Amino acid sequence: AQKITQTQPGMFVQEKEAVTLDCTYDTSDQSYGLFWYKQPSSGEMIFLIYQGSYDEQNATEGRYSLNFQKARKSANLVISASQLGDSAMYFCAMSLVRYQKVTFGIGTKLQVIP
Amino acid sequence: GAGVSQSPRYKVAKRGQDVALRCDPISGHVSLFWYQQALGQGPEFLTYFQNEAQLDKSGLPSDRFFAERPEGSVSTLKIQRTQQEDSAVYLCASSDYPGQTLEQYFGPGTRLTVT
Repeated sequence: AQKITQTQPGMFVQEKEAVTLDCTYDTSDQSYGLFWYKQPSSGEMIFLIYQGSYDEQNATEGRYSLNFQKARKSANLVISASQLGDSAMYFCAMSLVRYQKVTFGIGTKLQVIP
Repeated sequence: GAGVSQSPRYKVAKRGQDVALRCDPISGHVSLFWYQQALGQGPEFLTYFQNEAQLDKSGLPSDRFFAERPEGSVSTLKIQRTQQEDSAVYLCASSDYPGQTLEQYFGPGTRLTVT
């Protein structure tokens, strides 16, 4: 069974600064995908970024990048130039290629300070 | 194009009532998922459809929970004889897997409160 661990219940970051949200995962499968989702107070889960287990380069999407360290089984999210609208819950998640369900971590609450 | 939609957005049910929650996935998406999110937690998998076939229902917490997707598009999650512990946000997601990617796109959720 796969497992996602997010050890930061809450984080603060100054506006325009960068922030790293930690995520480690555990699986014995070799083929899997890692995701980050943002959940604002409105409740909707917004897909941010995806990293495949065989991708050699770290994924980037605008101000989001995923720092993928396969040997350490970590998939940290880096948000550059934080904005007030980035304040939300952030969930790290994974799914196996052979088995579709997504397993989520418990989330990190990010608050951006003006 | 339109995203995943869910209805109703909010539902209050008295204990013992049956409820039905609807999900309209992104057009053309083959895979559809239901998740349950309790307050302060990450979403937990309930069930998975590929077209009209329910391939995995291992996350359904009891036989009071039933899901269907008869024509391979719209899906309904039904909860019979609701209990207070069923209070949660129910999220639906769709993806085009087995297409190009594994990403799942979520709807806004239905917040169920059982009184």
